[in-house]
Amino acid sequence: DIVLTQSPVTLSLSPGERATLSCRASHDVNRYLGWYQQKPGQAPRLLIYDASNRATGIPARFSGGGSGTDFTLTIDGLEPEDFAVYYCQQRTRWPLTFGGGTKVEIK
Amino acid sequence: EVQVVESGGDLVQPGGSLRLSCAASGFTLSSFAMNWVRQVPGKGLEWVSSIYGSAANTEYAESVRGRFTVSRDNSKNTVYLQMNSLRGEDTAVYYCGKGRPAEPWFSDLWGQGTSVTVSS
Repeated sequence: DIVLTQSPVTLSLSPGERATLSCRASHDVNRYLGWYQQKPGQAPRLLIYDASNRATGIPARFSGGGSGTDFTLTIDGLEPEDFAVYYCQQRTRWPLTFGGGTKVEIK
Repeated sequence: EVQVVESGGDLVQPGGSLRLSCAASGFTLSSFAMNWVRQVPGKGLEWVSSIYGSAANTEYAESVRGRFTVSRDNSKNTVYLQMNSLRGEDTAVYYCGKGRPAEPWFSDLWGQGTSVTVSS
């Protein structure tokens, strides 16, 4: 199975700051990696698919990059509603796998 | 409104069975792959199963293969997850997600989830 390792586990930032989240894959996933946001009591929401493509309705402050085994999700100028848990997911190979998540909390 | 709604979650004894439903509205289910993902409260996301739009192919996590079966009834615009031989470790909130048209194994529309508790 492809293991996705997310870091840091927790990111403490203030509104307006930039958040940089990392996802490292145990095997090459090409660019077939996505990012989700999840708030307490809610379902996940797709933010980014295939490394750098924003899903429908996702604000431009969210951007993704990377390929192969190293990926980043950047949030430029954190808004209050961005404080949440973020997960990466690969679709290169079965089984589909998710990272353990990064919690972005208010400092 | 475009949405998916899960139902069927319940408290069930170990070894029991349950069938979850995922009803789609506002779009034609047969055109899309569908994914089931579960989450133990307070923990991360775990992929469970996926079914292609044609329903000719299905995929399962190793932890549920042989016990869970995913199916779809396109006439009812509904996907199902039949769960047999349930174990305590199957306790979770189960979400269904609609796959993106060109990247079907990313879910771009999720339901609110349905809770399954396996306990005696």
